[in-house]
Amino acid sequence: AQTVTQSQPEMSVQEAETVTLSCTYDTSENNYYLFWYKQPPSRQMILVIRQEAYKQQNATENRFSVNFQKAAKSFSLKISDSQLGDTAMYFCAFREGNTGTASKLTFGTGTRLQVTL
Amino acid sequence: GAGVSQSPSNKVTEKGKDVELRCDPISGHTALYWYRQSLGQGLEFLIYFQGNSAPDKSGLPSDRFSAERTGGSVSTLTIQRTQQEDSAVYLCASSKQRGNNEQFFGPGTRLTVL
Repeated sequence: AQTVTQSQPEMSVQEAETVTLSCTYDTSENNYYLFWYKQPPSRQMILVIRQEAYKQQNATENRFSVNFQKAAKSFSLKISDSQLGDTAMYFCAFREGNTGTASKLTFGTGTRLQVTL
Repeated sequence: GAGVSQSPSNKVTEKGKDVELRCDPISGHTALYWYRQSLGQGLEFLIYFQGNSAPDKSGLPSDRFSAERTGGSVSTLTIQRTQQEDSAVYLCASSKQRGNNEQFFGPGTRLTVL
């Protein structure tokens, strides 16, 4: 079974600064996908960024980028130029790829990010 | 277009009662997922429907939990004889197909069992 670990329950960053959220995972699969989701107080889960395991290049989406280390099974999220609207819970998630029925997501326990003035 | 909708937004019930939670996926999405988010926890997979295939029920925590999806669209998650430990936010998601397509989430139903 896959597991996803987020070791930082809470993080704080000042506006305009950069913050990195950590995530590690455990799997015996070779094909899979990794995701970071944002959950603001509204409870709406929003996809921030995704990474296909077969791609060596780290994914980027505007101010969000990842550091994907496949051998170390590490998938950290970097938020640059933090904004107040980035305040939310951030969840790392894993999904197997190219399998029969397993497209469910396995989530970590989340990191609560607070952006301050 | 419209996103995933869920109803009710909040549900308070007494221990031992049955509850039904509803999910309306995005039109045209063939895959539908239910997750549970307990306080301070990540999302826990419950059940997954894909087209006409048999659902993956591997995440249902007990036989008090069941779900159906009628006509390949709307889904209902039923919890019988609710217990206090069932209190959580129940999130539904849908996706276009079982490939690498994004799962779009609804706003969830917060269930409180007194």
